Amino acid sequence: QQQVKQSPQSLIVQKGGISIINCAYENTAFDYFPWYQQFPGKGPALLIAIRPDVSEKKEGRFTISFNKSAKQFSLHIMDSQPGDSATYFCAASRGNAGGTSYGKLTFGQGTILTVHP
Amino acid sequence: KAGVTQTPRYLIKTRGQQVTLSCSPISGHRSVSWYQQTPGQGLQFLFEYFSETQRNKGNFPGRFSGRQFSNSRSEMNVSTLELGDSALYLCASSLSGQGGTDTQYFGPGTRLTVL
Repeated sequence: QQQVKQSPQSLIVQKGGISIINCAYENTAFDYFPWYQQFPGKGPALLIAIRPDVSEKKEGRFTISFNKSAKQFSLHIMDSQPGDSATYFCAASRGNAGGTSYGKLTFGQGTILTVHP
Repeated sequence: KAGVTQTPRYLIKTRGQQVTLSCSPISGHRSVSWYQQTPGQGLQFLFEYFSETQRNKGNFPGRFSGRQFSNSRSEMNVSTLELGDSALYLCASSLSGQGGTDTQYFGPGTRLTVL
C-alpha cells in the first residue's frame, strides 16, 4: 500500500526557472514531512522538512507548502540551477507514536529533476 | 562529525548465497534504520534498531535480518539471495528514531548485485 504519492516522476526545467514537486499522503497520523535530495552514487540527504502546524517553510531557494486539509505538500525550488539536478524524495513519518512508527520514513517514488543550463 | 558509513560499498553475489552489510552510525546516534532502494519499488523500510533491540520491521521476508551492537553499529544479513534482492541498501541513523523532528541521516549505501 503506497501511502505517499509523488508527482511528477521526472521534471525538466531551464536554469532560473521554478521546479515544483507534489506529494499526497493518506495516513492522517503522519506529522513530519521531510524532503530528501539524492545525487547518483550518494545516499539521500535531508533538504528541508515541515510539520503540519505550519503551512509554509522556506530555506533559501527551497520552500515547502503544506495543505493539511487536502493532505498534500509540495516542494518549490526557486531560481533552479544545474547543480540542483538530482532525484528528490518526499517522505512522511509519525512522531512519538511508538510501535510501528519507530525509525520509519515512508517515501514517495521520487522525482528526477534535470535543470538545463 | 563523521557521517554514516557503510561497508562494503559494492557487492556481487550469486543466488543462494548470503550476505552481511555493515553500518556505522553518526557518533551519539542510537537508532539505525535500514532501507532497500530499487528502481521499481523506490525506498522501502526494512527495520530499525535501538539499543540492540529491533523495534520496528517492514514487510520483508524473514531472509532479511539484522542486529545492533552495543556501540550502535549495525549489520543486516540477507540469506538465500534471490535475483530480486539486487538493490542499493541504505542505512540511516538518528538520535532516537522517534520520528517527528528526529532527522534521519543516510549513508552512501551498499550496492548489492545478485547474479
